Amino acid sequence: GNSVTQMEGPVTLSEEAFLTINCTYTATGYPSLFWYVQYPGEGLQLLLKATKADDKGSNKGFEATYRKETTSFHLEKGSVQVSDSAVYFCALGGNTPLVFGKGTRLSVIA
Amino acid sequence: GAGVSQSPSNKVTEKGKDVELRCDPISGHTALYWYRQRLGQGLEFLIYFQGNSAPDKSGLPSDRFSAERTGESVSTLTIQRTQQEDSAVYLCASSLGTGGSNSPLHFGNGTRLTVT
Repeated sequence: GNSVTQMEGPVTLSEEAFLTINCTYTATGYPSLFWYVQYPGEGLQLLLKATKADDKGSNKGFEATYRKETTSFHLEKGSVQVSDSAVYFCALGGNTPLVFGKGTRLSVIA
Repeated sequence: GAGVSQSPSNKVTEKGKDVELRCDPISGHTALYWYRQRLGQGLEFLIYFQGNSAPDKSGLPSDRFSAERTGESVSTLTIQRTQQEDSAVYLCASSLGTGGSNSPLHFGNGTRLTVT
């Protein structure tokens, strides 16, 4: 069945550091890939998505590229801010309920 | 309201009691999902409603768990004879379609259930 594996946290970075959160997946067919984010005290919300191989999703300075050859969808940001502190979830799906990873907690310190 | 609303936000119950969790989706969203998140774990799919179709119950962990949805409105998740391993945050989400590339999920803030 479909599954998602993402790097375990917590991840602690200084402001303006480079961020990578790894995500790999196992899937049948051609799923869409997503990153959701949960800020403190808020519900999960969609951060970015990619619907086919080699697509790059981007939002708020975050990027992730759908790599079919490595079955990966790593999340990156060149310069993190304190306001990026949150839990990030990688997910895959399409026409079926989304399958989520365990989440990675990011803390950015000034 | 503008978002998905869940109630209660916190629930503490004794082992063996029944609990009912409520979800109010965004108006007009045909799809509704329940997920469970245990401490340190990812989101575990429980059940999915899409319009008037039969729900996808494939994620329900046991027959103590059930859920209902009336039309395209409120959903209730019921857990009978609660056990300590049921302690988790129960998340509800709704979307316009199947949650795929064109219809992202909108999540509520969850109900934190603690079984003592």
